[in-house]
Amino acid sequence: GQQVMQIPQYQHVQEGEDFTTYCNSSTTLSNIQWYKQRPGGHPVFLIQLVKSGEVKKQKRLTFQFGEAKKNSSLHITATQTTDVGTYFCAANQAGTALIFGKGTTLSVSS
Amino acid sequence: DGGITQSPKYLFRKEGQNVTLSCEQNLNHDAMYWYRQDPGQGLRLIYYSQIVNDFQKGDIAEGYSVSREKKESFPLTVTSAQKNPTAFYLCASSIGRIGGDNQPQHFGDGTRLSIL
Repeated sequence: GQQVMQIPQYQHVQEGEDFTTYCNSSTTLSNIQWYKQRPGGHPVFLIQLVKSGEVKKQKRLTFQFGEAKKNSSLHITATQTTDVGTYFCAANQAGTALIFGKGTTLSVSS
Repeated sequence: DGGITQSPKYLFRKEGQNVTLSCEQNLNHDAMYWYRQDPGQGLRLIYYSQIVNDFQKGDIAEGYSVSREKKESFPLTVTSAQKNPTAFYLCASSIGRIGGDNQPQHFGDGTRLSIL
């Protein structure tokens, strides 16, 4: 079935470095959602992107939806220890259930 | 406070036993979901329900069963047919689809199931 590829699977950075995770689909998406799961916690919804080429910002987090609506990225500027966790993208195709990527686990050392 | 409550937090199952995981929400959401999470596997959909008295299989429904008799409740039974049930189980809910699109999901705290 439909799959969403998310890379990298793991990323370790020094505090203050930037971080990016990428999400790719083989088919055009109606929209894409991003979630964050802290260690030991549950996924929490961050944002939804709907329009082609859309860019949204939440403080140090920048979310982008590709022009072809087949890929998306999450960029964190100047990471902090509070950013640790696993970031999931979730792809939306009309009429089907959300499809979650396998996630990118971010660790940050101070 | 509105939210999703999963119970128990930890559950142990003996070989050959069925166990039922509880999920209750007071968000007045129409849609509810069950996911299984294994290390490095992300979230895999077991079952979902868009409305009371209706539910659909997800990607890994074998060995599991659900019911949706009330809007607020979506219990998951892990049957003895599920040969590898040890995992973290997450329940989620959302408002119904809008224009065919799934809406953001709210998750419970999860239940960790282990085999004795």
